[in-house]
Amino acid sequence: GAGVSQSPSNKVTEKGKDVELRCDPISGHTALYWYRQSLGQGLEFLIYFQGNSAPDKSGLPSDRFSAERTGGSVSTLTIQRTQQEDSAVYLCASSLFEGNNQPQHFGDGTRLSIL
Amino acid sequence: QKEVEQNSGPLSVPEGAIASLNCTYSDRGSQSFFWYRQYSGKSPELIMFIYSNGDKEDGRFTAQLNKASQYVSLLIRDSQPSDSATYLCAVIPSGAGSYQLTFGKGTKLSVIP
Repeated sequence: GAGVSQSPSNKVTEKGKDVELRCDPISGHTALYWYRQSLGQGLEFLIYFQGNSAPDKSGLPSDRFSAERTGGSVSTLTIQRTQQEDSAVYLCASSLFEGNNQPQHFGDGTRLSIL
Repeated sequence: QKEVEQNSGPLSVPEGAIASLNCTYSDRGSQSFFWYRQYSGKSPELIMFIYSNGDKEDGRFTAQLNKASQYVSLLIRDSQPSDSATYLCAVIPSGAGSYQLTFGKGTKLSVIP
């Protein structure tokens, strides 16, 4: 499709397991962003990629979170040793270029539930 | 802390009326402002963006920006039941991190048939 694609759409796992979330941005979009939306909370920024590099990892909540992007396209967000507070909807967005006037378009998200 | 504030609602309007959604932001240097619509269980969908003071119209939607007062609003004319959703105001602040969207918590709009 033409939009941002995320997989899986839902993920249920046990506390302590590792999970990997995938994002495929809109074709041609160079900038990619990960956000998290928790119940009752607003969307919070996690990390941003320009090409394959991540100039800003400041939003990652702990060192259990990591992300990479390869080929300037697909990105994966990995959460190690998951905790119950990691339960949230993880949203990926992309924009044509990096910059404060570039609209960001979101995928459908991955709903992560930690038991 | 750069904040974006919205009335959580719910805002109820009758079908055909004008819905007015408001948002204030704390970072005076913010340059870019976005409105997203989010249906329950779905992801945010971009509906409007505005960068300059004044009004910007797109179909039934009008975004209004007043940088001096640090507020941005969204008007929805001829509201339809399908407009019922949560509307998220998002701002890209100035300075470092001027690509991170900072979101308000959203206003829930209910259009009554």
